[in-house]
Amino acid sequence: AQSVAQPEDQVNVAEGNPLTVKCTYSVSGNPYLFWYVQYPNRGLQFLLKYITGDNLVKGSYGFEAEFNKSQTSFHLKKPSALVSDSALYFCAVSSVSNFGNEKLTFGTGTRLTIIP
Amino acid sequence: DAGITQSPRHKVTETGTPVTLRCHQTENHRYMYWYRQDPGHGLRLIHYSYGVKDTDKGEVSDGYSVSRSKTEDFLLTLESATSSQTSVYFCAINGQGFYNEQFFGPGTRLTVL
Repeated sequence: AQSVAQPEDQVNVAEGNPLTVKCTYSVSGNPYLFWYVQYPNRGLQFLLKYITGDNLVKGSYGFEAEFNKSQTSFHLKKPSALVSDSALYFCAVSSVSNFGNEKLTFGTGTRLTIIP
Repeated sequence: DAGITQSPRHKVTETGTPVTLRCHQTENHRYMYWYRQDPGHGLRLIHYSYGVKDTDKGEVSDGYSVSRSKTEDFLLTLESATSSQTSVYFCAINGQGFYNEQFFGPGTRLTVL
């Protein structure tokens, strides 16, 4: 069975500093990985995904993620944090159902707080 | 929010009563999903649909049933609500199948007393 781990429940970063939100995964076969963000009282929004190709994936709002196969990690990064980046972040891994559609397995989430 | 609405947005009910949550999409997407979100668990898949009248169970399907009689609507029913089903429920859609992101609705906060 596939799984995703987000080892930090909470990450605090000063505004303007680089940020990293960690994610490790466990899958059989090739991993298909996603990051989603959730703002207060909202549904999840897609940030970026890794399917194949370059290990550095660029996404929305200046975020990027680095895929590392040897470390089974897919950490989310941003060079300079904004207060508006404060939110709940979820890493997810995808698998194919018996009916050909994708099913996502989510991590437990990391709450990112950017301190002005 | 990608043409997805959920109703009701908030509901308080009592243990043992039936509850139905509705997800409505205007995107004509084939795939629809129901998740629940709980602290410490992230989002967990309850049921999903891969077409009209075609549904399958997710990882936490016990106590839940679903129906999809037309493309745009996906209903989640709690036959006899329990306090352990107090949660925030999200609907999601995916029109492109595998490798593509899901789009989420705004959520329904359900409290079972």
